[in-house]
Amino acid sequence: GENVEQHPSTLSVQEGDSAVIKCTYSDSASNYFPWYKQELGKRPQLIIDIRSNVGEKKDQRIAVTLNKTAKHFSLHITETQPEDSAVYFCAASIQGGFKTIFGAGTRLFVKA
Amino acid sequence: GAVVSQHPSRVICKSGTSVKIECRSLDFQATTMFWYRQFPKQSLMLMATSNEGSKATYEQGVEKDKFLINHASLTLSTLTVTSAHPEDSSFYICSAIRNTEAFFGQGTRLTVV
Repeated sequence: GENVEQHPSTLSVQEGDSAVIKCTYSDSASNYFPWYKQELGKRPQLIIDIRSNVGEKKDQRIAVTLNKTAKHFSLHITETQPEDSAVYFCAASIQGGFKTIFGAGTRLFVKA
Repeated sequence: GAVVSQHPSRVICKSGTSVKIECRSLDFQATTMFWYRQFPKQSLMLMATSNEGSKATYEQGVEKDKFLINHASLTLSTLTVTSAHPEDSSFYICSAIRNTEAFFGQGTRLTVV
């Protein structure tokens, strides 16, 4: 089955700096890669996603890149703000409603 | 947007009792829902896939007789933790897929005392 690895487990940055979180996946059939932000005690919220027919996607301060050959995908947050502090999860699934497998999560701290 | 509602949000139960958690898709039909468990400071671990009208599919290591799943309609899946023990204390979250996007319930924090 699918296995998703995520690094780093903890990331601390200064406000205004960029943050990068990296993930790898094992199942070449996976073709949908969402990223979730989870605040303490709350449900995960989708922040951005990318499909395997796209190499990069950007939404304001957030961007995601995908390297299908290497089975790598990354989340980039620019101009970080304290409210970006949360746990971020990458995930992989096969489009069409198949189960989503999550990475271990990255706890991001943005220091003011 | 699509909404998935989970109930209850918090429950405390005595060891040995059973607890039922409901997951509803409010504005769409979901033939498939997923149940996850999340321990403190850990990731979401898939427990099982709930299939409307058929048996759930459990992940390796998840006891199907302990975590009973019923997907009786296209908008409701239930997870029953039977004979709960303190080690079952966790955050349980369901999700449903709509147009390839997963929508999550609010989660249920279960504490077994």
